[in-house]
Amino acid sequence: EVQLVESGGGLVQPGGSLRLSCAASGFSFSGHWMYWVRQPPGKGLVWVSRIKADESSITYADSVRGRFTISRDSARNTLFLQMRNLRAEDTAVYYCAGGSHYDYWGQGTLVTVSS
Amino acid sequence: QAVVTQEPSLTVSPGGTVTLTCGSSTGAVTSGHYPYWLQQKPGQAPRTLIYDISNKHSWTPARFSGSLLGGKAVLTLSGAQPEDEAEYYCFLYYSGARVFGGGTKLTVL
Repeated sequence: EVQLVESGGGLVQPGGSLRLSCAASGFSFSGHWMYWVRQPPGKGLVWVSRIKADESSITYADSVRGRFTISRDSARNTLFLQMRNLRAEDTAVYYCAGGSHYDYWGQGTLVTVSS
Repeated sequence: QAVVTQEPSLTVSPGGTVTLTCGSSTGAVTSGHYPYWLQQKPGQAPRTLIYDISNKHSWTPARFSGSLLGGKAVLTLSGAQPEDEAEYYCFLYYSGARVFGGGTKLTVL
């Protein structure tokens, strides 16, 4: 069974940092693109970032470029999202996804940016 | 950044057919946008139904189909079921990044 389990969410003050993790199992993590997608409370989905299997290609949405860093550890089958200089508008449930065609999704972790 | 447009809401009768559309502020949606369709039910994670215009995952019910029509990506639901009531999102590829539409809330009533 494929599982993607996000962790690391929580409450953080504006300007603070947070590191999200996504532990993958049940599929070939090292062979696939991985992605982060977020969803502000009560709103729609927003694409955040992607990373190629061999880390040779990384892309960010304009809204997070320069503040967020995506990375992966294939030895640990884990995807990361380092978030810095967080803003109130970054408040959202963060989903990781993976597979050849966004096949697999985690259940999400909530990040709340508030003072 | 490009804007992807969807109908905010649609209603379909049980057993009926409905089409959801996905447009791009940059012009016609083409195969180069690799359109996807996702379904999300309240309190659940999204799941991908259609990728690259019309390809289905193993879990995608046969009543869903995707296409390009009139410069837009289209999701057609033929024979709607009560369990199809959900939010549907399309997202398009733009030079490495992807952009989601605002979603269509589909009511089966």
